[in-house]
Amino acid sequence: RKEVEQDPGPFNVPEGATVAFNCTYSNSASQSFFWYRQDCRKEPKLLMSVYSSGNEDGRFTAQLNRASQYISLLIRDSKLSDSATYLCVVNPNTGGFKTIFGAGTRLFVKA
Amino acid sequence: EAQVTQNPRYLITVTGKKLTVTCSQNMNHEYMSWYRQDPGLGLRQIYYSMNVEVTDKGDVPEGYKVSRKEKRNFPLILESPSPNQTSLYFCASTPQDGTLKQFFGPGTRLTVL
Repeated sequence: RKEVEQDPGPFNVPEGATVAFNCTYSNSASQSFFWYRQDCRKEPKLLMSVYSSGNEDGRFTAQLNRASQYISLLIRDSKLSDSATYLCVVNPNTGGFKTIFGAGTRLFVKA
Repeated sequence: EAQVTQNPRYLITVTGKKLTVTCSQNMNHEYMSWYRQDPGLGLRQIYYSMNVEVTDKGDVPEGYKVSRKEKRNFPLILESPSPNQTSLYFCASTPQDGTLKQFFGPGTRLTVL
């Protein structure tokens, strides 16, 4: 089982739709969680940190479910510019700065 | 401008010819990492450094070396590149502020023939 797993998609949604992605992680001791966005093999850019209490940034909401060991990202009112690959990132708290990336979920938003 | 730079951005080389990919950051970040990205596998951490002269292996360190002699620089060295090291490489830096947020360089596309 991979340490961090994501549905690769692609998710094809119309503009204005709401779309949600999940990401599961295997190490229950993991402490830090993030969503990054990557456009077309460019560098990943931080979208959101994921906190235990959940957090929201405009149209984006991230949640953490420790009991089931997954994090989620909800995008409301999708824009064409949201088309990208969304990467789930976990620091498994095994000491040091070990970082595990999911393989990413591809999103296409259509006009 | 705060940034992470990598050089070269593109490199085609041959098996066995030693190469170095440089990474430099101007944000005074303590942590730095190297990743490779391959289709279907996502980013995999090669090495990371938590401070000058402090480096540790990530998930896929075989065939790579790193050094951290200065805080701003974290070069990736391939002593004897092989075709299976053909990949897209990213360097990242992270402040030691507890957030663990990573700032990535633009990437280096390496082809080993």
